[in-house]
Amino acid sequence: ETGVTQSPTHLIKTRGQQVTLRCSSQSGHNTVSWYQQALGQGPQFIFQYYREEENGRGNFPPRFSGLQFPNYSSELNVNALELDDSALYLCASSLELGYGYTFGSGTRLTVV
Amino acid sequence: AQSVTQLDSQVPVFEEAPVELRCNYSSSVSVYLFWYVQYPNQGLQLLLKYLSGSTLVKGINGFEAEFNKSQTSFHLRKPSVHISDTAEYFCAVTSINTGGFKTIFGAGTRLFVKA
Repeated sequence: ETGVTQSPTHLIKTRGQQVTLRCSSQSGHNTVSWYQQALGQGPQFIFQYYREEENGRGNFPPRFSGLQFPNYSSELNVNALELDDSALYLCASSLELGYGYTFGSGTRLTVV
Repeated sequence: AQSVTQLDSQVPVFEEAPVELRCNYSSSVSVYLFWYVQYPNQGLQLLLKYLSGSTLVKGINGFEAEFNKSQTSFHLRKPSVHISDTAEYFCAVTSINTGGFKTIFGAGTRLFVKA
């Protein structure tokens, strides 16, 4: 098993900029989800992709968008960054819908 | 609306004592239930899951949880904890509806095992 890998591990961006976070899912996993975790809180569901189509979305504005690619990699894009977007962003993959996730170690995004 | 409530933010317990971490949820549709653990400076790891069938599910590291549909609860238990169980534990609920799957996490319970 290769696990779930995320890049970069840390990132500093300026308010108003755009950012792309990347994730490589565990081999064979056709479901990927993205979460935002603020310090001391539980992960907040951003959205989920299943076989390259968005399959569910949390309460995040449209400036949070994503893509899933045939090679099981995925991206989280955030436009017009705000200070409150500073958080740990987690990617998680699953063999099938509802099976439980394998999480990556996350990308720590700081918006200044 | 779907929600997950972990009733205790922190649970201190002595080594070899039993522990129960409580989780209640609300959902108007069918759900899958999960517990995850996050050790210090590590990522989230799946402890156990309930998809269907027996309401008592066993996970890794000696943990188990029981799904109670009438009380909409999914409490996590371990009969005897170790120092190494010190971590943050998250309950998660995946709702299944026509619009897709949506997973909500609780705020977490910090288990602190004392010698």
